Amino acid sequence: AQKVTQAQTEISVVEKEDVTLDCVYETRDTTYYLFWYKQPPSGELVFLIRRNSFDEQNEISGRYSWNFQKSTSSFNFTITASQVVDSAVYFCALSGYEYSSASKIIFGSGTRLSIRP
Amino acid sequence: EAGVAQSPRYKIIEKRQSVAFWCNPISGHATLYWYQQILGQGPKLLIQFQNNGVVDDSQLPKDRFSAERLKGVDSTLKIQPAKLEDSAVYLCASSSKSLAAGSYEQYFGPGTRLTVT
Repeated sequence: AQKVTQAQTEISVVEKEDVTLDCVYETRDTTYYLFWYKQPPSGELVFLIRRNSFDEQNEISGRYSWNFQKSTSSFNFTITASQVVDSAVYFCALSGYEYSSASKIIFGSGTRLSIRP
Repeated sequence: EAGVAQSPRYKIIEKRQSVAFWCNPISGHATLYWYQQILGQGPKLLIQFQNNGVVDDSQLPKDRFSAERLKGVDSTLKIQPAKLEDSAVYLCASSSKSLAAGSYEQYFGPGTRLTVT
């Protein structure tokens, strides 16, 4: 069975601090996709990143970076120099890779991030 | 490009009443999803349509929930009769499904917040 665990329910940091959101996943698939989504107070889920399981290179996009470690089944997300606008709930998610299972995304329970001015 | 539209944004009903939600996906997106997001949890897929056909409804409580996408464009999700535990945000998403194997980005609407009293 597929499962995504986000152990941190809430995190609060002061603006400009770096913060890392943890994500651990379980799957029997040998190939799969991992995602991060942001859900601001407005409610919409905003896509941040998708990584496939055979690409373990870390990725950086501006202040955001992602650390994928297949050996520990983790896909952690770091925000550098956090800003108040980063305040949101962040979801890690997992899907299959094959055509029949790729569209079924399993979400974690989310981490609520609050950035204090 | 217009995003996924949903209405209403908020709905309050009493238990045992009926309610319907509407979703208009991004133009040209063949795949449409309905998710249920209970407070403090990640979204859970209820049903997936490919054009006007159902691909996956394994997690839809079919004794009370129904959904249709008659013309392969917009969709309605109905609950009849509602229970207290149906209180949640109902998210609609759409994607432009590729015939190639692999996952693809889902675009989410703002959701409908349902409160059952």
